[in-house]
Amino acid sequence: NAGVTQTPKFRVLKTGQSMTLLCAQDMNHEYMYWYRQDPGMGLRLIHYSVGEGTTAKGEVPDGYNVSRLKKQNFLLGLESAAPSQTSVYFCASSPSGQGHSPLHFGNGTRLTVT
Amino acid sequence: GQQVMQIPQYQHVQEGEDFTTYCNSSTTLSNIQWYKQRPGGHPVFLIQLVKSGEVKKQKRLTFQFGEAKKNSSLHITATQTTDVGTYFCAGSMEYGNKLVFGAGTILRVKS
Repeated sequence: NAGVTQTPKFRVLKTGQSMTLLCAQDMNHEYMYWYRQDPGMGLRLIHYSVGEGTTAKGEVPDGYNVSRLKKQNFLLGLESAAPSQTSVYFCASSPSGQGHSPLHFGNGTRLTVT
Repeated sequence: GQQVMQIPQYQHVQEGEDFTTYCNSSTTLSNIQWYKQRPGGHPVFLIQLVKSGEVKKQKRLTFQFGEAKKNSSLHITATQTTDVGTYFCAGSMEYGNKLVFGAGTILRVKS
């Protein structure tokens, strides 16, 4: 089992460019999440999904969009990147809602926006 | 909104010394989870506490959930260099609701 796989691992964007971060899980988990991690601020929830075809906003959703067309995949899009979106992005999944069960994290994507 | 405060932000200990990180919530928590993130790695689940006053142990790690379910602690006895990393607590106000992460405590161990 690969668990949770994120691609790419690193990316540098110029302000205004767009990109999509890919997350795939092979554990048949219903719930998937996108977090960003910034120094001194812990992990902040961007968007999440409670099942295929559903998405919901988290704590810091502005500037991001997501899609969950297939149960195993959760995509995070940046339509027009800004320097404030420089961060490490983690995807996570869980079999049931947060608080019910542990989160399984991917290895992260380090994004720099210049 | 729900906030989870974690202290200290950073601690540097000599190998063999003990280490404790504390987590405090502004509201009563339904449950709390702890994660460890090695340098350059991703968060890895350690444990979940649900009951008031609950204490759980994993080898040299002791986790406590306060009686009022507003605070929690992680204590490491006789730290080793393999303990280095950032320790996060994450609390949920209602069971099944979104987790709110603390800012984390960075642990460095001098050998």
